[in-house]
Amino acid sequence: GAGVSQSPRYKVAKRGQDVALRCDPISGHVSLFWYQQALGQGPEFLTYFQNEAQLDKSGLPSDRFFAERPEGSVSTLKIQRTQQEDSAVYLCASSSIGNTEAFFGQGTRLTVV
Amino acid sequence: QQQVKQSPQSLIVQKGGISIINCAYENTAFDYFPWYQQFPGKGPALLIAIRPDVSEKKEGRFTISFNKSAKQFSLHIMDSQPGDSATYFCAASKAAGNKLTFGGGTRVLVKP
Repeated sequence: GAGVSQSPRYKVAKRGQDVALRCDPISGHVSLFWYQQALGQGPEFLTYFQNEAQLDKSGLPSDRFFAERPEGSVSTLKIQRTQQEDSAVYLCASSSIGNTEAFFGQGTRLTVV
Repeated sequence: QQQVKQSPQSLIVQKGGISIINCAYENTAFDYFPWYQQFPGKGPALLIAIRPDVSEKKEGRFTISFNKSAKQFSLHIMDSQPGDSATYFCAASKAAGNKLTFGGGTRVLVKP
């Protein structure tokens, strides 16, 4: 595709529900990042994949957060038993090896009620 | 721990004026310093980036100044236009292509 695609764009979840957020990176991009952006703040790193390998998950806030990229392309960020503090925009970014620029998707706005 | 501090949180500038945003970092392992522009409802987009081996980089109306000894860098937007109204984020990483640590953002409003 032309850019990084994320779906859904908006998600409303009741507290305690599980959610799954999808990221389609730019075709051929090896690196994939997930960030969490709270309202009025800068994005914060969650996790990083190189192809299908999750090389860094140091930013995941709790064991309720899980990410996967089984075939080295599409990635899913799953949040179990959502809580109000999980409300944020979840951004996905991808880049190619040797390319300095990370291209961001439009994000998924998650609201937990 | 906020590793990249950004100021001001917001600024208003007249069309044609200069917008200046400042950032300071703590981690001396950072080696790549990009600036991102974000419009409402959109993801951040790379504006301009610099490495510590240069003190200044200019691309069109956008200039980054970098002070390695002070661990500070800044973005200057010359001849600001209403279309520049957006939120700007500085960021840092240990190498290009690595995970980014973002500042808190500066909301810029350019008045016509």
